[in-house]
Amino acid sequence: GENVEQHPSTLSVQEGDSAVIKCTYSDSASNYFPWYKQELGKRPQLIIDIRSNVGEKKDQRIAVTLNKTAKHFSLHITETQPEDSAVYFCAARNNAGGTSYGKLTFGQGTILTVHP
Amino acid sequence: GAGVSQSPSNKVTEKGKDVELRCDPISGHTALYWYRQSLGQGLEFLIYFQGNSAPDKSGLPSDRFSAERTGGSVSTLTIQRTQQEDSAVYLCASSSLLPLNSGEERKKLFFGSGTQLSVL
Repeated sequence: GENVEQHPSTLSVQEGDSAVIKCTYSDSASNYFPWYKQELGKRPQLIIDIRSNVGEKKDQRIAVTLNKTAKHFSLHITETQPEDSAVYFCAARNNAGGTSYGKLTFGQGTILTVHP
Repeated sequence: GAGVSQSPSNKVTEKGKDVELRCDPISGHTALYWYRQSLGQGLEFLIYFQGNSAPDKSGLPSDRFSAERTGGSVSTLTIQRTQQEDSAVYLCASSSLLPLNSGEERKKLFFGSGTQLSVL
């Protein structure tokens, strides 16, 4: 099945700096890659996603890049703010058949801390 | 409903008791997941239902854990003979399995607010 590795597990930056979180996936058939943000005590919320036919997608201060050949994708947050502090999860959606069809596999999570 | 609904929001039980956690997915969503999250930890996959196909149960940690999805909608996660290490937040999530070009919103995964389970 799909395996998603996420790095780093923790990331600490100063307000205004950029933050980059990287994920790799194992199944070349995966075709959808969302990122979730989970604030303390809350449910994970989708913040951005990318499909396999696109190399990059931006939404204000957040961008995601995808390298299908290398099977890795990254989340970039620019001009970080204290409210960006949260746990971020990447995921990959399986496109193969069987019981795992359409299944999203999550990375281990990255704890991002933005210091004022 | 407007989102994924889970009940109860909090459950305190004694070691050895059975518990049932309920998830009401977004109407029309054919895919449903259960995850477990311990304090400060990641999302531990438990089980995945998609349509009428056999579920992916590869994440269930022991035979004390089971889940059903009746009528392709509501799901119940049952934990038998609870242990203290079962204490965690249990999250349910649902999505559509329509092809990706069938609409941006439909393929997205939405989480419920979770059930905080405490086993004393």
